Amino acid sequence: NAGVTQTPKFRILKIGQSMTLQCTQDMNHNYMYWYRQDPGMGLKLIYYSVGAGITDKGEVPNGYNVSRSTTEDFPLRLELAAPSQTSVYFCASSYRGPGANVLTFGAGSRLTVL
Amino acid sequence: GQQVMQIPQYQHVQEGEDFTTYCNSSTTLSNIQWYKQRPGGHPVFLIQLVKSGEVKKQKRLTFQFGEAKKNSSLHITATQTTDVGTYFCALEDYGQNFVFGPGTRLSVLP
Repeated sequence: NAGVTQTPKFRILKIGQSMTLQCTQDMNHNYMYWYRQDPGMGLKLIYYSVGAGITDKGEVPNGYNVSRSTTEDFPLRLELAAPSQTSVYFCASSYRGPGANVLTFGAGSRLTVL
Repeated sequence: GQQVMQIPQYQHVQEGEDFTTYCNSSTTLSNIQWYKQRPGGHPVFLIQLVKSGEVKKQKRLTFQFGEAKKNSSLHITATQTTDVGTYFCALEDYGQNFVFGPGTRLSVLP
């Protein structure tokens, strides 16, 4: 199993450009999440999904959109990139059920907006 | 939403010294999880605590859940350079998603 795979690993955007961060998991996890981590800071939840076709906002959703058309994929769309969106983005997934509900993270996507 | 604090924010120790980080919540928790993030890496799950007063050990790491289920601690005995990283506690928020603490960054001087 590859686990959680994120692409791209690095990206530089100009202000106002748009892009999509890809996330896919092969563990048949029902829940998926997008977090952002600013330098030296903790993780803030952007959006999450409890299953295909269902998404919900987290703590910092402004400027982002998501979709969950399949169980495996949970892309994060940035519209009109701004310098404040410079961050490292982590996708994570988990299986909700009896017992421990553990987050498995991807390696991260480092985004710089200039 | 839930508020979670971690102290200290940073800790520098000499290799071989002990280290403790504390996580405090504003509400009673159903469970708490701990994650470790190495520099430049991604968070990795360490452990979950569920029961009041629970203590779990992983080699040199000892995790404790408070009796009131509002706080938790992670203690590392005789730190090694491989312990370097940021340690986060994470709380389940209304059973839907996870709220992470701000983390404690540990540096270990050889």
